[in-house]
Amino acid sequence: AQSVAQPEDQVNVAEGNPLTVKCTYSVSGNPYLFWYVQYPNRGLQFLLKYITGDNLVKGSYGFEAEFNKSQTSFHLKKPSALVSDSALYFCAVRARGDYKLSFGAGTTVTVRA
Amino acid sequence: NAGVTQTPKFQVLKTGQSMTLQCAQDMNHNSMYWYRQDPGMGLRLIYYSASEGTTDKGEVPNGYNVSRLNKREFSLRLESAAPSQTSVYFCASSDTSRKDEQYFGPGTRLTVT
Repeated sequence: AQSVAQPEDQVNVAEGNPLTVKCTYSVSGNPYLFWYVQYPNRGLQFLLKYITGDNLVKGSYGFEAEFNKSQTSFHLKKPSALVSDSALYFCAVRARGDYKLSFGAGTTVTVRA
Repeated sequence: NAGVTQTPKFQVLKTGQSMTLQCAQDMNHNSMYWYRQDPGMGLRLIYYSASEGTTDKGEVPNGYNVSRLNKREFSLRLESAAPSQTSVYFCASSDTSRKDEQYFGPGTRLTVT
């Protein structure tokens, strides 16, 4: 069975400071890993994915994530957060050969001006 | 392109009533999914359809049925609604490749009283 853990329910940062949202996963074999963002009353939007290759993945809106196989982690990062980054962030994993995507519980990010 | 559309946006049902949630995508995607989102639990997969003519159960299929009407449309039916089915329901679609990201609709907020 595959699963995702997002250990922090909430992350609060000041605008201009670095932002990190943590994610660890469990899956058989090599994973496909994803980050999605959800703004209030909206559906999820894709941010970035790791399939293979370079462990540092760059995505939309200046976000990036680092895949660490030994720690089974895929933390989301942004060097300088904006107030508009305030949203709910989900990490997700899919086993190769499977259609099913497993989501974490989500982390609410609040960026204060 | 409208992407993934869902109807209705909001619905209130009484216990025991039935209803169908509609989903359509115009991206020519082969795979479609239904999720429910509950606070603190992330998204949980109800059913998915890997391709036209096929459907499979996800994590939480009890109390639901689905129909993949054609390549564009994937409906979710609640035959006898229960208060435990109060949730926000999201439809998503993706290309055939299992490494591709999923595109989400805006969601349906369902309340069962």
